[in-house]
Amino acid sequence: AQSVSQHNHHVILSEAASLELGCNYSYGGTVNLFWYVQYPGQHLQLLLKYFSGDPLVKGIKGFEAEFIKSKFSFNLRKPSVQWSDTAEYFCAVNAYNNDMRFGAGTRLTVKP
Amino acid sequence: GAGVSQSPRYKVAKRGQDVALRCDPISGHVSLFWYQQALGQGPEFLTYFQNEAQLDKSGLPSDRFFAERPEGSVSTLKIQRTQQEDSAVYLCACGPGVGETQYFGPGTRLLVL
Repeated sequence: AQSVSQHNHHVILSEAASLELGCNYSYGGTVNLFWYVQYPGQHLQLLLKYFSGDPLVKGIKGFEAEFIKSKFSFNLRKPSVQWSDTAEYFCAVNAYNNDMRFGAGTRLTVKP
Repeated sequence: GAGVSQSPRYKVAKRGQDVALRCDPISGHVSLFWYQQALGQGPEFLTYFQNEAQLDKSGLPSDRFFAERPEGSVSTLKIQRTQQEDSAVYLCACGPGVGETQYFGPGTRLLVL
């Protein structure tokens, strides 16, 4: 079964700083890749997803992620974070079998 | 409804008590999932339904956990003889098909004393 690693447990940034959250997965076959976000007090919601095509995908609120197949990575980026981006971010992998595996999450704190 | 709803939102149970957690998915979504999320961790897969059929229950941690979706819509996760280690947030998610985006409910936070 696939597994997902998120390298950063807690990231603290100042507003306007650039963000990159790492995500690596282990699975040899074709996968669907997701980033979910959980704002304080809210439920998990989809930030962006990659199924096929252009490996650079754009999501909501200025986030983007790049799928690098050779590195089994799907890192999340944002050029300039805002205080409202403070949340927990989860990378997830689905290998077409509905067995969705999540990483442990990265807590992002953005200082105003 | 517009999204996935779960009830109750919070549940405190005494050790040994049975609990039932309910999930109302988005209308028409055939796939339904249950996850367990411990503090500081990502969601861990418990079980999956396609319509009323439970196709995968490999993530259920013990035979005290049981899930059903008898009419292919509402689902119930039941935990018998709860233990302290069952304390977690239980998330329900649904999706329109295999491998598709999953839409999550707000979760039920279970605390077993």
